[in-house]
Amino acid sequence: KAGVTQTPRYLIKTRGQQVTLSCSPISGHRSVSWYQQTPGQGLQFLFEYFSETQRNKGNFPGRFSGRQFSNSRSEMNVSTLELGDSALYLCASSATGGAGYGYTFGSGTRLTVV
Amino acid sequence: AQSVTQLGSHVSVSEGALVLLRCNYSSSVPPYLFWYVQYPNQGLQLLLKYTSAATLVKGINGFEAEFKKSETSFHLTKPSAHMSDAAEYFCAVRRNTGNQFYFGTGTSLTVIP
Repeated sequence: KAGVTQTPRYLIKTRGQQVTLSCSPISGHRSVSWYQQTPGQGLQFLFEYFSETQRNKGNFPGRFSGRQFSNSRSEMNVSTLELGDSALYLCASSATGGAGYGYTFGSGTRLTVV
Repeated sequence: AQSVTQLGSHVSVSEGALVLLRCNYSSSVPPYLFWYVQYPNQGLQLLLKYTSAATLVKGINGFEAEFKKSETSFHLTKPSAHMSDAAEYFCAVRRNTGNQFYFGTGTSLTVIP
């Protein structure tokens, strides 16, 4: 079956702009999480959605937001982009989001802010 | 707070040699523990996970890890390194409640021919 699909793979934006990233989870998976990966900070949790509801949120400013649709697809939005937002953004999905489950990650969206 | 410490940001081994990547966790109760691998320009792939069933966990590609509560460790091993094992490896922990992974800083594995 198809894996977690993230689009686009690469993105270049200018400071001050906003960006929307998309994630399509594995069919049947209802939990979607987002992570930011940077060389300096490593992998950091952004937020998690389950059945269209945000269940958990990491320590990121309000410029970072997300949502999940009824088909479990998720989007994350970053407004007023800063240079420090340049990162690999990873989406992961799980059937139920239970703590003992290993999430399946997508290949990520590489965002570069110039 | 949950955290994991990966000792050694870079590890080099010869092809055919033992691979040992270290991970220690801090938790008041045994958490769920995971090892993920990341190849260049790729996402994370689950290697194995510990969920309190067996302390010795076998994963994909010949990797295994042993949960040692007394040492709060979950080290990853492979008896014989292959060139294709060169990648970044991440140890991660999750609590019984809450749904986020806490990742270590990663260990870059180089395999020397």
